[in-house]
Amino acid sequence: NAGVTQTPKFRILKIGQSMTLQCTQDMNHNYMYWYRQDPGMGLKLIYYSVGAGITDKGEVPNGYNVSRSTTEDFPLRLELAAPSQTSVYFCASRRDGYTFGSGTRLTVV
Amino acid sequence: SQELEQSPQSLIVQEGKNLTINCTSSKTLYGLYWYKQKYGEGLIFLMMLQKGGEEKSHEKITAKLDEKKQQSSLHITASQPSHAGIYLCGADPEVGGGADGLTFGKGTHLIIQP
Repeated sequence: NAGVTQTPKFRILKIGQSMTLQCTQDMNHNYMYWYRQDPGMGLKLIYYSVGAGITDKGEVPNGYNVSRSTTEDFPLRLELAAPSQTSVYFCASRRDGYTFGSGTRLTVV
Repeated sequence: SQELEQSPQSLIVQEGKNLTINCTSSKTLYGLYWYKQKYGEGLIFLMMLQKGGEEKSHEKITAKLDEKKQQSSLHITASQPSHAGIYLCGADPEVGGGADGLTFGKGTHLIIQP
């Protein structure tokens, strides 16, 4: 089915570990986004991309990195995990409207 | 930057009753999205409003956009347990959508009591 696929769905990391959250879309959308959702805080934009090879910081980029080598993929990298990065992460893509992935629930202990 | 304030933050409603959730923007609304989120799950798209005065309905949910008030309201008629969850509004920063995505409100937690 067409849409935005995020992996993994759940992950527990130890402080200082690194990981990559994967996001893939098969709709040929140029715009892609990474949000994080903390309890009672809505969604905040981490990074976004307007096309392959182009990325830019959102509201809360510290501690994260992204890349966009293809139109389909927009991975989010955490280099040195911290407890403050415990959150639910959503990837989205856009053409006329927004399509969200099902999320990755990350806990840093 | 644009800020969206949702009210109320939480709402407990008896099954069968009507309810309204509001989303007020600090800036002009160009496009306003409503999403529903079940606890621990992803976002479900409900409706998108673009023009002042626009009103859309889906089943028992109606959303309106008041351009002058920079506000959107979501109204649920005859609430059911399936309506329980978190309702989020998101706004486009410009006409046609900006490159940097939606700005979201903090959400409204809706609980339906039997």
